[in-house]
Parts: sequence; C-alpha cells; structure tokens
Amino acid sequence: GQQLNQSPQSMFIQEGEDVSMNCTSSSIFNTWLWYKQDPGEGPVLLIALYKAGELTSNGRLTAQFGITRKDSFLNISASIPSDVGIYFCAGQLTTSGTYKYIFGTGTRLKVLA
Amino acid sequence: DVKVTQSSRYLVKRTGEKVFLECVQDMDHENMFWYRQDPGLGLRLIYFSYDVKMKEKGDIPEGYSVSREKKERFSLILESASTNQTSMYLCASTAMGSNYGYTFGSGTRLTVV
Repeated sequence: GQQLNQSPQSMFIQEGEDVSMNCTSSSIFNTWLWYKQDPGEGPVLLIALYKAGELTSNGRLTAQFGITRKDSFLNISASIPSDVGIYFCAGQLTTSGTYKYIFGTGTRLKVLA
Repeated sequence: DVKVTQSSRYLVKRTGEKVFLECVQDMDHENMFWYRQDPGLGLRLIYFSYDVKMKEKGDIPEGYSVSREKKERFSLILESASTNQTSMYLCASTAMGSNYGYTFGSGTRLTVV
C-alpha cells in the first residue's frame, strides 16, 4: 500500500525549542491532515488543510499545504513537555474517489524539560 | 462528546484463537475503518466499510475479516491469531461527504502469545 514519506522519524528537543516536520509524496493530494497521538491513545486531528499554499494555525501549531500539492509541513513553536507523542500526516488523493486517507509513518517527538 | 469506542484497551490471546475486536461509533458515520499500527510502519489499512454489510479490503487484509451488521458497529476478526498479528489496532470513522478526516478510537493493544 502507498504511504507518505514523513521526516524526521524521531526527534529529541529541549523545552522551548521550535520543531519542524514534513511529509512528501509523489502523488497529488487534495487534503492534508495532521494528527497527534498521545501515548496509549488514538490519533487526534490537529489541523486540516484543503488548498495548495494554505497556511493554518492552531495555537502553537502551524501547518502548510505545499504549492505542488505533494507535500506538507507542521511547525510547533516553543515546545512544552505535553507536546510529546507521535505526529502523523495524512493525505487524501485527488483521484481516490473514496474517503480513504494515506498516512505517513509518523514522527516521534520527545521533549526534554 | 462524539466518540469511537473500542471495547478493549488490552488483549492477550493465544496462537490459533479466534479474536474479535469491536468498535462502536455514536456519530452516525457511514464510513468505518480498521488500521494496525506498528513501529516504523505507521498506520496500515486492514479493511473498511462504506455502509452496513459492505466491506472492502485495505492494504493488508490477509488473516483478517470484518463484520458490519449495524451502522454503528464494525468488528475486526482474526480467524486464527498468530504472533505476527501482535500490534496496536485502531478503529476510525468518518461521515460520507466529510473531508475532516477520521475520528479514531483509543486503540486495542493485542498481544498474541
């Protein structure tokens, strides 16, 4: 099955630092989503993007839908310990004709206090 | 608060057992999905359903089957559990026509011994 290339796989950062992660694909997407999964829980939607070039914020989180529609990035500013978890990107193909999303492999974030 | 509820958080089963994982959503969603999550592999789609009694194979259906007798309930069945099916299983749902992504359950961590 198809998967998105998500990087980095994991990162350790100091509290207060900014974080950046991205997803790329060879396919064109019409929707990009970013999820966070806390330890022992299911993923929760953080940000949804629907148009190429769109930049959307949710508190300290900012995500962008790439102009080529083949990539997206997520930034977290001034990280705090509760930012720890796994972040997933997900994309919906323009030609899928379904409500299936393709998920990235995840970025595991650990924040050192 | 809308929810996707998975009946068990943790399960331990023996090799060869038939295992049922249950998922119920209270949002009247048409679409329901089963994923498994493994480190480094992200989320992989096992089966999905667009309507009652409808099912379609995802990317890794081998060794699994599903049942959707009622709109709110989507069950994943491991016909004969094997150790390589030890994983985190996530159920998700979304409404027809929605592009807000999925609502996930909290997951079932299955260990097959």
